Amino acid sequence: QVQLVQSGAEVKKPGASVKVSCRASGYTFNTYAVHWVRQAPGQRLEWMGWINGGDGGTKYSQKFQGRVTITRDTSASTAYMEVSSLRSEDTAVYYCASASYGTALDYWGQGTLVTVSS
Amino acid sequence: DVQMTQSPSTLSVSVGDRVTITCRASQSISSWLAWYQQKPGQAPTLLIYDVSNLESGVPSRFSGSGSGTEFTLTISSLQPDDFATYHCLQYSSNMYTFGQGTKLEI
Repeated sequence: QVQLVQSGAEVKKPGASVKVSCRASGYTFNTYAVHWVRQAPGQRLEWMGWINGGDGGTKYSQKFQGRVTITRDTSASTAYMEVSSLRSEDTAVYYCASASYGTALDYWGQGTLVTVSS
Repeated sequence: DVQMTQSPSTLSVSVGDRVTITCRASQSISSWLAWYQQKPGQAPTLLIYDVSNLESGVPSRFSGSGSGTEFTLTISSLQPDDFATYHCLQYSSNMYTFGQGTKLEI
């Protein structure tokens, strides 16, 4: 069965960067997209961007363009999402999710809590 | 980017109630709309995709309708397991946007 397993919780200081991983199993990694979504405490889900598992092409929400980088390692069936210049407002649970290209997000990782605090 | 306005933000309901949640898009998204259920401390789970297609394993009391800019999730008879937060997601033009969520409360 399809599984997405994310890396563990992180605590970072303002201005630092964080990189979260998402290891996929149960499907052919390069035939699906991996998306990243975050949810700050009490807030709506926010779509951040996605990466084409095949050719590595990316697309970002305008809000995160320039501060978020999504990459993948096909040999490890793993996608990564890095946020730079962290601020307190980036404290959130970050999720990865898989989808066929241009379709709804179907399988989700368990979420990774990133806390930004001085 | 397409903006999604979901209403209401909170709904006080009882078991057996018929529940309707609405999402409005700032521009036409054709049929590129999904609904998710999220329980506290858990990742969202897909209920409905492409407006009205029920994901495998989802009870038939859930249904979706709409097109263009206005969409509806209906729960025909609310069950105890349905108390959760519901989110809509649009995915037109390979850019995605969520609604602000609707929390069902007793």
